[in-house]
Amino acid sequence: QKEVEQDPGPLSVPEGAIVSLNCTYSNSAFQYFMWYRQYSRKGPELLMYTYSSGNKEDGRFTAQVDKSSKYISLFIRDSQPSDSATYLCAMSGVDSNYQLIWGAGTKLIIKP
Amino acid sequence: GAVVSQHPSRVICKSGTSVKIECRSLDFQATTMFWYRQFPKQSLMLMATSNEGSKATYEQGVEKDKFLINHASLTLSTLTVTSAHPEDSSFYICSARGGMSESPLHFGNGTRLTVT
Repeated sequence: QKEVEQDPGPLSVPEGAIVSLNCTYSNSAFQYFMWYRQYSRKGPELLMYTYSSGNKEDGRFTAQVDKSSKYISLFIRDSQPSDSATYLCAMSGVDSNYQLIWGAGTKLIIKP
Repeated sequence: GAVVSQHPSRVICKSGTSVKIECRSLDFQATTMFWYRQFPKQSLMLMATSNEGSKATYEQGVEKDKFLINHASLTLSTLTVTSAHPEDSSFYICSARGGMSESPLHFGNGTRLTVT
């Protein structure tokens, strides 16, 4: 079993829909949670960074962390075709010496 | 803020030659930089951790003599792929952490290496 599980998709939704992307993990010591967006042939871009449990909102993006369930989510409201990309979750903690442990990435397609 | 610049973005070289990739943190000092490799439709694979002023730490299975890493200053790390072979063709991405250990990583735009 991988430390971080993420459905690779692809996930295809119509423009304007609310998108929900998720990761589950097994190591309860993870404390820092990140979402990155990666366009084809580009480096990952940090979208959200959260510590411990709770919600964080930034524009159309909301990140949720539920440490009791070992489950994190990224919601995208009013999705746009430009949101089409691969979304990677990553997490770290003292246990991993803060080395990022990555999900496989979910390919998201927003249809106009 | 937190911009990481990586050059070149694309390079084609002949088998047996060496290629150097540069990674710079433009607006912050990075004591630690990380080099990743990414295969098509796969997630990031950490190759090595580059520490300013000291030897890099390589992940298991990564040949340190083939992938030479130098982190000579707080804003520059280089990866040299020596005696490149076609199987070294890949997407190489650097990243940097500007603050404490728990700070998130910021990535360059990657280098696509093709060895012919």
